[in-house]
Amino acid sequence: TQLLEQSPQFLSIQEGENLTVYCNSSSVFSSLQWYRQEPGEGPVLLVTVVTGGEVKKLKRLTFQFGDARKDSSLHITAAQPGDTGLYLCAGLHSGTYKYIFGTGTRLKVLA
Amino acid sequence: NAGVTQTPKFQVLKTGQSMTLQCAQDMNHNSMYWYRQDPGMGLRLIYYSASEGTTDKGEVPNGYNVSRLNKREFSLRLESAAPSQTSVYFCASTGQGPGAGYNEQFFGPGTRLTVL
Repeated sequence: TQLLEQSPQFLSIQEGENLTVYCNSSSVFSSLQWYRQEPGEGPVLLVTVVTGGEVKKLKRLTFQFGDARKDSSLHITAAQPGDTGLYLCAGLHSGTYKYIFGTGTRLKVLA
Repeated sequence: NAGVTQTPKFQVLKTGQSMTLQCAQDMNHNSMYWYRQDPGMGLRLIYYSASEGTTDKGEVPNGYNVSRLNKREFSLRLESAAPSQTSVYFCASTGQGPGAGYNEQFFGPGTRLTVL
C-alpha cells in the first residue's frame, strides 16, 4: 500500500503564529498537490508542485517540493483565523491516473 | 465555468435502497474520479475513469458501480445501500489547468449520504 504521511494531524495555534505541515512518502511523485477543505465543502486546490526543490508562494503560504520529489511542506506565516481548515496533500505517480492522499492536517487558528 | 458539479447535495436512504449520484464537469477534462471521505480515513478512491469509455476500480469499489456516460459526466450507483456506505462522496476531474503544463485535480462540493 502506498502511503503519504501528513504531520501533524491536528494543530491549534494563536493568530499571528507560524506553522509548518509536512507530507512524506517513500516513493517518488511526478507532482504533488495541496488542498484546503472547509466543513461541508469539497477540497479546494491551493497549489501543484512538479519540480524537485521547487518553491511556490501563495500570499502567506509557502509550498516546497523535496529535491527527490518524495516529500513536501506547507509553511504558513502569521496565521489568521481564515486559515482554519483541513489541509490535504495528494501525490501522483508518474504513468498513473490515481492520486495518493494524505490523511490531512486539521488546523485551527484562534483569534 | 461551473467546474465540477454534483447532485444531490444531501440524501438519506434506507438499507437496501438504490440510488445514483451524478457528477458533471465543464473543463473538458479526460479523467474523472469518485472518492468517499470518512472521519479519520481521509479520501479513498472508489472508481476512476482515465478517459471516456474506460473505468477502473480504486481502493474501495465493493458495493458501487460507475458509468462514464460521456466526457462530461461520471455517475456512481449504489445498488443496495448499506449503513457502511454512509459517507461524504466527492467527484473530481483531472486535466491541465489554465496555463499549466501538468495535470491538476479539481473537486465537486460533495454529496452527503446517510444510510439508515
